[in-house]
Amino acid sequence: DAGVIQSPRHEVTEMGQEVTLRCKPISGHNSLFWYRQTMMRGLELLIYFNNNVPIDDSGMPEDRFSAKMPNASFSTLKIQPSEPRDSAVYFCASSANEQFFGPGTRLTVL
Amino acid sequence: AQKITQTQPGMFVQEKEAVTLDCTYDTSDPSYGLFWYKQPSSGEMIFLIYQGSYDQQNATEGRYSLNFQKARKSANLVISASQLGDSAMYFCAMRGVSYIPTFGRGTSLIVHP
Repeated sequence: DAGVIQSPRHEVTEMGQEVTLRCKPISGHNSLFWYRQTMMRGLELLIYFNNNVPIDDSGMPEDRFSAKMPNASFSTLKIQPSEPRDSAVYFCASSANEQFFGPGTRLTVL
Repeated sequence: AQKITQTQPGMFVQEKEAVTLDCTYDTSDPSYGLFWYKQPSSGEMIFLIYQGSYDQQNATEGRYSLNFQKARKSANLVISASQLGDSAMYFCAMRGVSYIPTFGRGTSLIVHP
């Protein structure tokens, strides 16, 4: 198995632009998580899907952030409009029991 | 609410020695799972080991073992025969019945030659 796949690996954008992060979970995993990691705040859970349904989105910072999971093999995290404080590494993870992380997307908003 | 505490912000160990990274947790869930992850400087989060709260034996994976003491609510990671490549951040995490994981702040491990 290829593991959790994320794209892009790096994204540099200007403030106000829309950013879309993509994730392909491990086949057969029914849970998917989006995290954000920064030096100041550590690893934060943004949203959790189970069987493609959002279960807990209490970690989503504000309305500028949205996440979708249209099917079991694909999820997106969108930031519109992006701001410099959104700069972070965004991880997608999937699990059946153990949780496996993707390589992350390093987002820089100028 | 779940809570994970990693009290050691940084640890140093000599190559080939064993090291223990501390993790304590708090939960009222009747069953839960405990995880350890390694994050090297390259940034990826690597799953190391898992312990279920009802598992009878401590989990082991190669040089990694989890010293699970349920009554003390601790789940320390033991790395035997440390290698230079073990230098990284290590995160303890738990997941209860809600399936939503909680992570500690991490411990930075540096292995000296």
